Amino acid sequence: GAVVSQHPSRVICKSGTSVKIECRSLDFQATTMFWYRQFPKKSLMLMATSNEGSKATYEQGVEKDKFLINHASLTLSTLTVTSAHPEDSSFYICSARDGLTGELFFGEGSRLTVL
Amino acid sequence: QKEVEQDPGPLSVPEGAIVSLNCTYSNSAFQYFMWYRQYSRKGPELLMYTYSSGNKEDGRFTAQVDKSSKYISLFIRDSQPSDSATYLCAMGQGAQKLVFGQGTRLTIYP
Repeated sequence: GAVVSQHPSRVICKSGTSVKIECRSLDFQATTMFWYRQFPKKSLMLMATSNEGSKATYEQGVEKDKFLINHASLTLSTLTVTSAHPEDSSFYICSARDGLTGELFFGEGSRLTVL
Repeated sequence: QKEVEQDPGPLSVPEGAIVSLNCTYSNSAFQYFMWYRQYSRKGPELLMYTYSSGNKEDGRFTAQVDKSSKYISLFIRDSQPSDSATYLCAMGQGAQKLVFGQGTRLTIYP
């Protein structure tokens, strides 16, 4: 089946630094990618929707200057957590929609810990 | 009222039992319904996808949708310890974003 690769799977950083997480669709073109945040024992919270070549659409309450999303190609979207703080520590998951079939595939997630 | 309601559990059942997981929703415009399984520290994986009211079966899994009651279910027959995970329902319309339930933590004990 189609695969979405997310990297890094785990990252630990110091408070104040920026962290970039990559989401790649490996064998299909993803016209739309979604970024989620998941707290322990909670469901996925949609942060933003990104369409290739255009600005991301952020959900209410998500700071666009804090969580920078770039969807520069049909196979790659990146999420950059800028000036990270301990409260940004979370599990971040991306999903990618196959432009041909409409199917949605999830990455394995990236666990961010901010010290 | 949340768009999608799902009992978070936890739900613990013995191996071999039939498991029933459920979600209710309020938006009658939802057109398609999914069930995802998520193991600890992993991303969700799609289990079942249904587009209309009725039942859909895949191996030990049966997804049921009742649009008139705005109620969906996932049944797991002959449950195994490897089925222990969090199960998330999700639904959507057109090309719009999916709306997820809170997820139900399921444990199957030997």
